[in-house]
Amino acid sequence: QKEVEQDPGPLSVPEGAIVSLNCTYSNSAFQYFMWYRQYSRKGPELLMYTYSSGNKEDGRFTAQVDKSSKYISLFIRDSQPSDSATYLCAMSVGNTPLVFGKGTRLSVIA
Amino acid sequence: DGGITQSPKYLFRKEGQNVTLSCEQNLNHDAMYWYRQDPGQGLRLIYYSQIVNDFQKGDIAEGYSVSREKKESFPLTVTSAQKNPTAFYLCASSMSFITSIYGYTFGSGTRLTVV
Repeated sequence: QKEVEQDPGPLSVPEGAIVSLNCTYSNSAFQYFMWYRQYSRKGPELLMYTYSSGNKEDGRFTAQVDKSSKYISLFIRDSQPSDSATYLCAMSVGNTPLVFGKGTRLSVIA
Repeated sequence: DGGITQSPKYLFRKEGQNVTLSCEQNLNHDAMYWYRQDPGQGLRLIYYSQIVNDFQKGDIAEGYSVSREKKESFPLTVTSAQKNPTAFYLCASSMSFITSIYGYTFGSGTRLTVV
């Protein structure tokens, strides 16, 4: 079983839809959780950071961590064509390099 | 503007050749990382360096080598021993290894193709 599982998609939604992106993980020691957005042929950029369980909101984006289920989510409200990208989850125990999911490719259709 | 510069953007290598990918940062970050990205595989860690003159192997270090002689620079050499080097290579940095829990800053990547 891989440490971090993420459905690669592709996921295609109409403009204005609510998007839900998810990752599951097996290592209960993970405490620090991140979401990155990567446009085609570019490097990933940090979108959201969350420590331990709970929710964090930033504009149209909400990151959610459920440590009891080993499950993290990223919600995008009022999705826009400019949100079309690959979204990568990443996590860390705190003293090791980040472990990344495979990424989910999202297309928002105008 | 502070950031990470990777060069070249595109690189073509003949079979049996060694090539070096450049990564330079002006963020004053101590820690630097190299990842490889293949379609459907996500990001896989090749090498990382917590501080100058120190580096550790990641999950897929075979066929690669690195050096960290300066804080700003962390070049990656893809040797002829790497059997399948065609991929997108990403360099990243964090203020320190401990603060990597707050995430990395990535460069724009180098796409390496074997011809």
